[in-house]
Amino acid sequence: NAGVTQTPKFQVLKTGQSMTLQCAQDMNHNSMYWYRQDPGMGLRLIYYSASEGTTDKGEVPNGYNVSRLNKREFSLRLESAAPSQTSVYFCASSEKAFYYNEQFFGPGTRLTVL
Amino acid sequence: AQSVAQPEDQVNVAEGNPLTVKCTYSVSGNPYLFWYVQYPNRGLQFLLKYITGDNLVKGSYGFEAEFNKSQTSFHLKKPSALVSDSALYFCAVRDEGSGYSTLTFGKGTMLLVSP
Repeated sequence: NAGVTQTPKFQVLKTGQSMTLQCAQDMNHNSMYWYRQDPGMGLRLIYYSASEGTTDKGEVPNGYNVSRLNKREFSLRLESAAPSQTSVYFCASSEKAFYYNEQFFGPGTRLTVL
Repeated sequence: AQSVAQPEDQVNVAEGNPLTVKCTYSVSGNPYLFWYVQYPNRGLQFLLKYITGDNLVKGSYGFEAEFNKSQTSFHLKKPSALVSDSALYFCAVRDEGSGYSTLTFGKGTMLLVSP
């Protein structure tokens, strides 16, 4: 099992460009999440999908959109990138969102917006 | 609202000595508590969790954590540190009685184990 995979690993964008971060999990988990990690800020939840067909905003959703393509895949889209979106982005999954299951994380995407 | 605090940005310990990484939390109901570790340029890895039951929880790589309800703490411990334990550690909490909420993570504590 690959667990949670993310593509790309690194990306450099210019302000105003768009891109989609891809995430897939092979653990048959119901719930998936997108976080961003910034120095001294810990992890902040951007969006999550409690189950296939549903998505909800997290703590810092502005400037992002998500799509739960199917049970395996959850993508994060930046429509018009800004320097403030320079960060490391992690995708995670768990059996259930509102429960005590641990989350499994992907390796991350390091995004720089110039 | 649920929250978690890791009061130390960095903890330094010599190899072979015991280590403690501190975490305190605030919830309105019962807490679900987690510890994760992040090695350089990697995603977070689950270490252990407290849901209910025994206050001392054992996890991966020889780590354990003690749940203290009166002090609202969930400190991570290891009896003998290894250089390879050097990493960024995150505490996380979910309020069991909060309905639809996900995990809230602390800001992380960098553990540095010197040879």
